[in-house]
Order: sequence, then C-alpha cells, then structure tokens
Amino acid sequence: DTGVSQNPRHKITKRGQNVTFRCDPISEHNRLYWYRQTLGQGPEFLTYFQNEAQLEKSRLLSDRFSAERPKGSFSTLEIQRTEQGDSAMYLCASTTGTETQYFGPGTRLLVL
Amino acid sequence: SQKIEQNSEALNIQEGKTATLTCNYTNYSPAYLQWYRQDPGRGPVFLLLIRENEKEKRKERLKVTFDTTLKQSLFHITASQPADSATYLCALGGEGGGADGLTFGKGTHLIIQP
Repeated sequence: DTGVSQNPRHKITKRGQNVTFRCDPISEHNRLYWYRQTLGQGPEFLTYFQNEAQLEKSRLLSDRFSAERPKGSFSTLEIQRTEQGDSAMYLCASTTGTETQYFGPGTRLLVL
Repeated sequence: SQKIEQNSEALNIQEGKTATLTCNYTNYSPAYLQWYRQDPGRGPVFLLLIRENEKEKRKERLKVTFDTTLKQSLFHITASQPADSATYLCALGGEGGGADGLTFGKGTHLIIQP
C-alpha cells in the first residue's frame, strides 16, 4: 500500500513528557500537512510543508510544538512538555499540486 | 472569524432514500470546497471537490452543489446503503489562492438504517 502512513498509531504518555510522531507521505507528494482532531470536531490545521520548507503555521501550534521535514520526505511532529489538553488525534496528509489531500490513519495521543 | 456549520446532530435516513447533508460557512471566500468521509478511528477519505465557479459535481451516487452567494454546499447520497454510515466532513480551501491547510466543519454523523 502506498498511502500515507503514520507511526505510532497510539501513544499514551504522562503529562510533562515529550512525544514524537512520524508521518510518511505518499511518494513524490511535495506537500505535507499536519492536523489535530479532538472528539466531535473536525480536523484543525496545524502546519504545512512544501518539500522541506515549513511554509505556514497555525496559531494553534504553540511553542511546545515543532515539526520538521528534513529531506522533503517523511515528517516528524514533536510535542514537548505534554499537557492533558494535547490529547487528540494527530493527522498527517499529503498532496501534489492538487487540492485533494490524502490523509493517514492518524496517531491517537492520550496524555495522563 | 471563519465559521463552518454542518448538520449539528446525527442524521438518520432509511436505506434506499436520499441523504442530504448541509454545509454553511461565513467570513470565508474559498476557491474550492471538498467533502470527506471519516470512519471511527480513521483518517478522512476524500470524496468530491467542487470549485467556486462550479454549481454541481457528481460521482456515482454522490452529488454536491455549491452556492457561493448563499455560502452553502449540499451533499447528496442517493440510494443510500448502511455502508454509507459514517461522519461526513465539509472542508474549505484555497482562500486567496494559497495552498494553506483546509478548514473543516465538525462533520455530520450519518446513519443509514436498514
């Protein structure tokens, strides 16, 4: 399957710990997006890369959040000093120059 | 601030009937609107895209309309089946010609009853 993959699928951590998620986009997709989704809500945009350049960051992305896409392929999203409010599904999507975004299965984070 | 409203409650439809979902938005000038399907615990799956200069799009049993004057899109599933039961998300994008992330509504939980 050449779809978007995300790892881990589930993560449970204690408040104050750091976590890192990985997203592998569809091969040759140059745009990669991160979203956060809480229960009963739609996905909320966090940040977006074109190749290795981070071009847009939402105001939702606090200083504790950092994302990278070092070689323009996979991306990582790190959350430092996690808080209970960070508990959510973190979704990654990729696309070429078209508007259609292809989403991965998400990483579900639970902060205790 | 930008706001997207979808049917706020679950929508129950009898199998075989047409399901119609509504997406209304304010304070937004999208270049396009998309509909996604999301099953529990999974990522959204793209269904249809309609651009600001288009009135209607069809794909198999799906139809979407887009009225930029009313700031509304309607999403129709004809001959509905229990397998169509899912949450359907409306998403806006392309404002100002940018490639920024999509703005999603909360979704409508559709239940097709046999």
